Amino acid sequence: NAGVTQTPKFRVLKTGQSMTLLCAQDMNHEYMYWYRQDPGMGLRLIHYSVGEGTTAKGEVPDGYNVSRLKKQNFLLGLESAAPSQTSVYFCASSAWVMGGNTIYFGEGSWLTVV
Amino acid sequence: SQQGEEDPQALSIQEGENATMNCSYKTSINNLQWYRQNSGRGLVHLILIRSNEREKHSGRLRVTLDTSKKSSSLLITASRAADTASYFCATGFSGSARQLTFGSGTQLTVLP
Repeated sequence: NAGVTQTPKFRVLKTGQSMTLLCAQDMNHEYMYWYRQDPGMGLRLIHYSVGEGTTAKGEVPDGYNVSRLKKQNFLLGLESAAPSQTSVYFCASSAWVMGGNTIYFGEGSWLTVV
Repeated sequence: SQQGEEDPQALSIQEGENATMNCSYKTSINNLQWYRQNSGRGLVHLILIRSNEREKHSGRLRVTLDTSKKSSSLLITASRAADTASYFCATGFSGSARQLTFGSGTQLTVLP
């Protein structure tokens, strides 16, 4: 049982390039999320999905697109990378456990835009 | 952003001591959770407390919630070097309980 798996782990992009971060979960969760984590700012929600074929904007969606074609996968795309998108990206899925939405995180993807 | 705010930002203690971290939030919540993040890793769920609960225990962890003060505390008893990590509170708000909002975390260092 792998949980939430993200690829790639590390990537360096040039400004203006595009890329896709891949996320897969094997827990049959309906909800999936993409967060970014920057020093001193905690985690900020980029986009999320409440089920296969659905996506919604989070707190900081600009410059990113997402797709949820299959229940187990949630893809995050950077259309034209900017240095401000240098960050650590976390994919997550969630389940309703004991009265709350418990989130299960991947190990992170370190992205540097130069 | 309706964010939980942890206090202190950094905490350094000796092994065997207790560590207390606090979290304050701004609006009514459905539940509050604590997560741990080891350096270079993803966040791991520790404990959840519902808005109608005041205290909860899990092993060496004790969480309290005071909804009147909009605050929570996480106590780690008899700390170990392996407890060194960042600790985040996350709040699920009434009406949007599926979307957790994370604070910026407390960096705990436990010295051997």
